[in-house]
Amino acid sequence: DVKVTQSSRYLVKRTGEKVFLECVQDMDHENMFWYRQDPGLGLRLIYFSYDVKMKEKGDIPEGYSVSREKKERFSLILESASTNQTSMYLCASITTRRLRLGNTEAFFGQGTRLTVV
Amino acid sequence: AQKITQTQPGMFVQEKEAVTLDCTYDTSDPSYGLFWYKQPSSGEMIFLIYQGSYDQQNATEGRYSLNFQKARKSANLVISASQLGDSAMYFCAMREPGSSNTGKLIFGQGTTLQVKP
Repeated sequence: DVKVTQSSRYLVKRTGEKVFLECVQDMDHENMFWYRQDPGLGLRLIYFSYDVKMKEKGDIPEGYSVSREKKERFSLILESASTNQTSMYLCASITTRRLRLGNTEAFFGQGTRLTVV
Repeated sequence: AQKITQTQPGMFVQEKEAVTLDCTYDTSDPSYGLFWYKQPSSGEMIFLIYQGSYDQQNATEGRYSLNFQKARKSANLVISASQLGDSAMYFCAMREPGSSNTGKLIFGQGTTLQVKP
């Protein structure tokens, strides 16, 4: 079974703190993603990575950075947390080996509910 | 720009009845994939079903089926014989056209389904 594990289910941080959200997958997937989920907006892509040390901005990268030093680990960093970053954060991974077949699904972690006070 | 729209923020269904969750999409690319995910209150995203734009038949997976109407650009999820465990949020998503190497997904706003006993 593919497993995507996020380090925290719930997190409370103070405004201005540097926050790290960690995600680990155990199936040797090449691509990893960080999404943010807000009511009425669905999931929006923050960043994704297609290889170690390789990353691309998604739709809402402002205020975030990422790190991928090892293939299995993808970290989301809030450089200086703000209250408008209070949200649910979801990590996902996918194998590219079968992507061209079309029906390869992304696998998600259980999410981290971050509250910035 | 590509877009997914789910117009039903919330739905109720009686246990054992069928329910349809609506999803429309917008893309000018002839090649794309459509996904449905279920998100229980625990937070993880569970893949349910996939439909490719060139698939001749509507996708089915157990109690889930996808009513794919390409000309209308709709991909509604049908859940037959609803169970209490189907209560969750449901997301429609599209594999971004041209993203065959990345696996990026565009999500709709989500529909919360509540199954009544």
